Amino acid sequence: DTGVSQDPRHKITKRGQNVTFRCDPISEHNRLYWYRQTLGQGPEFLTYFQNEAQLEKSRLLSDRFSAERPKGSFSTLEIQRTEQGDSAMYLCASSLGGFAEAFFGQGTRLTVV
Amino acid sequence: EDKVVQSPLSLVVHEGDTVTLNCSYEVTNFRSLLWYKQEKKAPTFLFMLTSSGIEKKSGRLSSILDKKELFSILNITATQTGDSAVYLCAVEQGGSEKLVFGKGTKLTVNP
Repeated sequence: DTGVSQDPRHKITKRGQNVTFRCDPISEHNRLYWYRQTLGQGPEFLTYFQNEAQLEKSRLLSDRFSAERPKGSFSTLEIQRTEQGDSAMYLCASSLGGFAEAFFGQGTRLTVV
Repeated sequence: EDKVVQSPLSLVVHEGDTVTLNCSYEVTNFRSLLWYKQEKKAPTFLFMLTSSGIEKKSGRLSSILDKKELFSILNITATQTGDSAVYLCAVEQGGSEKLVFGKGTKLTVNP
């Protein structure tokens, strides 16, 4: 499968725990995006990488969120001290050009109990 | 504050009907408007619009942008049950890689 791959697909965690999600973009795609989507809402931008550089980060992203893309390939998104409000679908997308050419992964659904 | 507003939020039609979905926006430094279809998980790209008045068409779907009035419409003719999905509108801003999405329109097509 050469699409964008996200792992895990589902995660249930207790409030206060740390979680980490992984995104493997399409090979050769230098741009990688993270979005968050809650029920009944459109996706909300979290952060953007070009190769290994994190070039843009949403003001909505609190200090509990951190993302990395070592070596410009896969990316991880970590949430520390999870809260119930973090429950959402976390979507990753990658592209070679602009966002119109981006492909989304299937997402990781996080439930914080 | 940048915002994208879609209407209606929900729509139920019968197969064969024609539907029009609306998207209005207020964003700084507009660059383009994009439409996506989201069935279960990942949104899939439909159209990108950058110029006013030029219709983009793909099969039974078409879309047009009005940059003066700051809105776009997505038309679906002869709807099929497979068109049932959430349709998302998003705006791309110059100088940013961020897309601002609307809440989406949930379309249900009944047989």
